[in-house]
Amino acid sequence: GQQLNQSPQSMFIQEGEDVSMNCTSSSIFNTWLWYKQDPGEGPVLLIALYKAGELTSNGRLTAQFGITRKDSFLNISASIPSDVGIYFCAGHSSGAGSYQLTFGKGTKLSVIP
Amino acid sequence: AAGVIQSPRHLIKEKRETATLKCYPIPRHDTVYWYQQGPGQDPQFLISFYEKMQSDKGSIPDRFSAQQFSDYHSELNMSSLELGDSALYFCASSFTGTISYEQYFGPGTRLTVT
Repeated sequence: GQQLNQSPQSMFIQEGEDVSMNCTSSSIFNTWLWYKQDPGEGPVLLIALYKAGELTSNGRLTAQFGITRKDSFLNISASIPSDVGIYFCAGHSSGAGSYQLTFGKGTKLSVIP
Repeated sequence: AAGVIQSPRHLIKEKRETATLKCYPIPRHDTVYWYQQGPGQDPQFLISFYEKMQSDKGSIPDRFSAQQFSDYHSELNMSSLELGDSALYFCASSFTGTISYEQYFGPGTRLTVT
């Protein structure tokens, strides 16, 4: 089945710094979603992307749908302590007959005050 | 805005017992998905239902079954529980009418099998 390679696996940053993470796949995806999960809670949808090249912002978060349709990027600007959590990318593959999503392994973000 | 509701939030069972997890999707959402998440893992898709019919099946053990009822709530039934079934179980819902792949997750049920 499809696989999403998400990187980095974890990162430690200073409060106020910008953060970048990405997801890549060998398959073409027609939808990219970015979720944030706090410990013991359900993933929360942050941004949804539907068009190649699309750049979408949600507050300090900006995500892009790669031109090749095989990757997506999430940037967080001016990080704050509440940004701590695990960020998952998820995608729906072109040609998949169902609405099933493929998830990346997650990026664990730690923010040092 | 209304979110996905799951109950119970925590459940402790012994090996070989059964468990039933419940999910109430966001109003007007027609599709429900069940996921299992182990410690440090990404959510693993189990099964989904669209308009009360099973629409997709993932890595759901034969000991598990699920259904969606006429009011769109869903239940995941787990029998002959094993220690390895201990995990967070999430329900997610979506409205597929506009061909949206956006899934909204509930808070999860933490199942502990002892």
